[in-house]
Amino acid sequence: NAGVTQTPKFQVLKTGQSMTLQCAQDMNHNSMYWYRQDPGMGLRLIYYSASEGTTDKGEVPNGYNVSRLNKREFSLRLESAAPSQTSVYFCASKEGTGGYGYTFGSGTRLTVV
Amino acid sequence: GEDVEQSLFLSVREGDSSVINCTYTDSSSTYLYWYKQEPGAGLQLLTYIFSNMDMKQDQRLTVLLNKKDKHLSLRIADTQTGDSAIYFCAETFSGGYNKLIFGAGTRLAVHP
Repeated sequence: NAGVTQTPKFQVLKTGQSMTLQCAQDMNHNSMYWYRQDPGMGLRLIYYSASEGTTDKGEVPNGYNVSRLNKREFSLRLESAAPSQTSVYFCASKEGTGGYGYTFGSGTRLTVV
Repeated sequence: GEDVEQSLFLSVREGDSSVINCTYTDSSSTYLYWYKQEPGAGLQLLTYIFSNMDMKQDQRLTVLLNKKDKHLSLRIADTQTGDSAIYFCAETFSGGYNKLIFGAGTRLAVHP
């Protein structure tokens, strides 16, 4: 099925550990996004990539890095996880520069202890 | 700046209409959206409205946009238990690489 695939679905990390969240889309979309969702705060943009080869910071980039490996894949890395990064992470993609047409993945639930 | 606000909770009786409200601050919004999130799931686009429209109807859903007051609402007619979820208002605006800016979400509880 076409869409946005995120792996893993669940992860528990110890403080200071590193990990990479993977995201891949098979819709040939240009733009990709990483959001985090915290209770009572909606979704906040961490990083985005308007096109292959470009990445930009969103609202809450501190503690994260991203890589737009190719048009399909956009990964999010936590170099040294902290409890404040406990959250649900969503990847999304969109075709072009027009308004609508975002597709979201099903999310990665990350707990940092 | 960009800010989207919603009330956090709404409880309605099955069969009644639900109205979820949202206010936004950015007058350069291009599209405004309503997303639905069921427990443990991702976000599902329910409907959207372009900023030059006042109203959009899609089956049981009616979206009203008041640009003067920067107010967006979602009306769900004949609310069912399957409508219980969190509903997010979101906007995109010109010049922002079409980033989605979300409200905190309104939890809709439908009871018999």
